[in-house]
Amino acid sequence: DAGITQSPRHKVTETGTPVTLRCHQTENHRYMYWYRQDPGHGLRLIHYSYGVKDTDKGEVSDGYSVSRSKTEDFLLTLESATSSQTSVYFCAISGQWTLDSPLHFGNGTRLTVT
Amino acid sequence: AQTVTQSQPEMSVQEAETVTLSCTYDTSESDYYLFWYKQPPSRQMILVIRQEAYKQQNATENRFSVNFQKAAKSFSLKISDSQLGDAAMYFCAYRSDNAGNMLTFGGGTRLMVKP
Repeated sequence: DAGITQSPRHKVTETGTPVTLRCHQTENHRYMYWYRQDPGHGLRLIHYSYGVKDTDKGEVSDGYSVSRSKTEDFLLTLESATSSQTSVYFCAISGQWTLDSPLHFGNGTRLTVT
Repeated sequence: AQTVTQSQPEMSVQEAETVTLSCTYDTSESDYYLFWYKQPPSRQMILVIRQEAYKQQNATENRFSVNFQKAAKSFSLKISDSQLGDAAMYFCAYRSDNAGNMLTFGGGTRLMVKP
């Protein structure tokens, strides 16, 4: 299994508070992704990174920011959490930017915003 | 924008039987990849099988195979000799250059396996 660690595994927070989720990889892969999973929607891309300090927006980026200061770490921040951001968040990594290169996923963080 | 549709929110199968999960997608591209991912209760996302659009031969991985119909834009997953461990959510996903090389997922199908 790819070495991907997401922390925390579960988090409950209140509306309006900032939240940071962490993804740490030991594979030295260049590409990293943040997805959210909601019932009926599958997984939707929030942000992705194609190198240190190189990031771009995905399909559902509003309300989220990311940072990547080291190859191994990719942080997802909710500046002011809202109830609509209650979801399961997945980090994924990929070694190559090719169509057949599979994404390897972490085990997810379940975030509840009350 | 590309869309991926899984029309079966839930499916059930008897242990040792065969089940087929449906997936359709919308695209104007000629070159792309399609994937099936499995998500057991542990939440881990596991790649089951992948298919390149240019390959006519359907991909097979042990008990898992696909029926890829390019003209119909259909990519179904067949699970043979179903086992209790196959119970999971299954996601179909699409990837192409013109979709920014991103994975686009369907809404998922929950598969239940009856002993």
